[in-house]
Amino acid sequence: KNEVEQSPQNLTAQEGEFITINCSYSVGISALHWLQQHPGGGIVSLFMLSSGKKKHGRLIATINIQEKHSSLHITASHPRDSAVYICAVRRDSGYALNFGKGTSLLVTP
Amino acid sequence: DVKVTQSSRYLVKRTGEKVFLECVQDMDHENMFWYRQDPGLGLRLIYFSYDVKMKEKGDIPEGYSVSREKKERFSLILESASTNQTSMYLCASGEWGGYGYTFGSGTRLTVV
Repeated sequence: KNEVEQSPQNLTAQEGEFITINCSYSVGISALHWLQQHPGGGIVSLFMLSSGKKKHGRLIATINIQEKHSSLHITASHPRDSAVYICAVRRDSGYALNFGKGTSLLVTP
Repeated sequence: DVKVTQSSRYLVKRTGEKVFLECVQDMDHENMFWYRQDPGLGLRLIYFSYDVKMKEKGDIPEGYSVSREKKERFSLILESASTNQTSMYLCASGEWGGYGYTFGSGTRLTVV
């Protein structure tokens, strides 16, 4: 079983909708990352969280350490938000990140 | 801005060739990583390095080796390329504690 599980795998939304992507993990972590990957493109780090909530523009990321769960929210979604969103965790005891398999988001006009 | 630069965006190599993928970062990060990304499998760690000349195997090191002779450069080597190594390869660098993680643009390698 993967240590990092994301849901949903695929998501289609209409422009303007509020979007939530979920991430659950099963190990102790020191940090959780939300990453964005556009088709054919490199990966961009959106957020790094170790507690609470962070906001950047229309993006909001939250984490509940006790429940081992994080969510990424996109408000007023736009077609340019179409991308794969990836959750990744850094274990307490490790150097590298463990990745979820990603959520493919398509926002239609 | 932190930059992680991968030397090639696309590569096509023949089975059996020795392949070098280069990665350079400009932020003096201690940690550097090589991942491969495949549909349905996500990103998987091949090797990482936490200091010059230091390396650790990741989850899928078979068929690969790495070299880190200078802090800013981390090379991935496919000793004898095989078709099952056709993939997107991503390099990343980061500071201690998991902060400042930055990815390169990726190299799409096709082995024919």
